[in-house]
Amino acid sequence: DSGVTQTPKHLITATGQRVTLRCSPRSGDLSVYWYQQSLDQGLQFLIQYYNGEERAKGNILERFSAQQFPDLHSELNLSSLELGDSALYFCASSVSGGGATDTQYFGPGTRLTVL
Amino acid sequence: AQSVTQPDIHITVSEGASLELRCNYSYGATPYLFWYVQSPGQGLQLLLKYFSGDTLVQGIKGFEAEFKRSQSSFNLRKPSVHWSDAAEYFCAVGLYNNAGNMLTFGGGTRLMVKP
Repeated sequence: DSGVTQTPKHLITATGQRVTLRCSPRSGDLSVYWYQQSLDQGLQFLIQYYNGEERAKGNILERFSAQQFPDLHSELNLSSLELGDSALYFCASSVSGGGATDTQYFGPGTRLTVL
Repeated sequence: AQSVTQPDIHITVSEGASLELRCNYSYGATPYLFWYVQSPGQGLQLLLKYFSGDTLVQGIKGFEAEFKRSQSSFNLRKPSVHWSDAAEYFCAVGLYNNAGNMLTFGGGTRLMVKP
């Protein structure tokens, strides 16, 4: 158990809908990261938040957004869902916002199925 | 941009046999390298990491990896595989800068263990 929690574990929804994925980082970690794992794209970095502010951005679609709250938990919002958004979404956390020794620890993931 | 290649999509070994999973990276600076393991239905667990120093790195569960700069490789090894090692293994390179962190993952190698 990494100490990173994600809810829900599974989510099934329809095209065009909007969903919210939630992540709680390990105690003491200030950074939260979101990754998407799909069959065709593999594991891809989406976005990083550090202490409430966006820190780094990867291949995140405009239909997707994230935020980190004062208690450091994070939410990933996915809107206007398409079939291709079906994937496993991982959250990770780390102690700081960067640096060589800042290791990311991953949660169990949320499996999103868009029908 | 950095990239990671895991040439072997599937590998099957007999229980008790030795294992080597290959990883090649492309990165302009000194790489920060990681191996993660994903068991079925589970999240990503960190096996080991290389930041600097000794090029032979020991990890959990009896795994080790060797960083070879001249070959741009970071291969994962285990002297004797157990049935519980069956999983998918991901090599990753970390990009750390003042803007934040991100991990770039290889496509993964699925390990099957024969009894």
